[in-house]
Amino acid sequence: DVKVTQSSRYLVKRTGEKVFLECVQDMDHENMFWYRQDPGLGLRLIYFSYDVKMKEKGDIPEGYSVSREKKERFSLILESASTNQTSMYLCASSLVQGRTEAFFGQGTRLTVV
Amino acid sequence: AQSVTQLDSQVPVFEEAPVELRCNYSSSVSVYLFWYVQYPNQGLQLLLKYLSGSTLVESINGFEAEFNKSQTSFHLRKPSVHISDTAEYFCAVSEALGGFQKLVFGTGTRLLVSP
Repeated sequence: DVKVTQSSRYLVKRTGEKVFLECVQDMDHENMFWYRQDPGLGLRLIYFSYDVKMKEKGDIPEGYSVSREKKERFSLILESASTNQTSMYLCASSLVQGRTEAFFGQGTRLTVV
Repeated sequence: AQSVTQLDSQVPVFEEAPVELRCNYSSSVSVYLFWYVQYPNQGLQLLLKYLSGSTLVESINGFEAEFNKSQTSFHLRKPSVHISDTAEYFCAVSEALGGFQKLVFGTGTRLLVSP
């Protein structure tokens, strides 16, 4: 089975801190994604990557950056955390071509105080 | 750009009753369609998908969805729900971006099954 692992289930950070959310997948998928999930808004795409060192902005990239130095690892960075970034963050991976369903991690619930 | 509409934010239903969760998408161009389920405090799991072929697709736990191209819909149905089906359900459509795909999600429908 495909496994997507997010490093933390719960995080509490202070306003202004730099925050790193880590995601690792074990199926050699080219595509990796970071979504943010908020009640009533569904999942919104922050950034995605289709190859090592490649990244593309999603629908809500402001206040975030990403890093993909290795194929299996995709990191989301909050440069200076703010309270409006309190949310559930979901990482996902998928193949580039063919059957393009995404496989999700368990999510990281981030609270910024 | 693609968009997905799930009109019902919450659907309450009694155990063993039938249920339909509605999903409409914005384009009739060839698409891949998906339903995901999210149980409390968990990530999303793929429930079923339509890629091509038969317009009726089924999951292993009794859900089914029908792709209707003329109505741009992909509604999810189950003839008899269980308490354990209580979860949030997300409809998603693929969108081509150059040589790769990204998923566009609806806002989700919370299914509440009571005894």
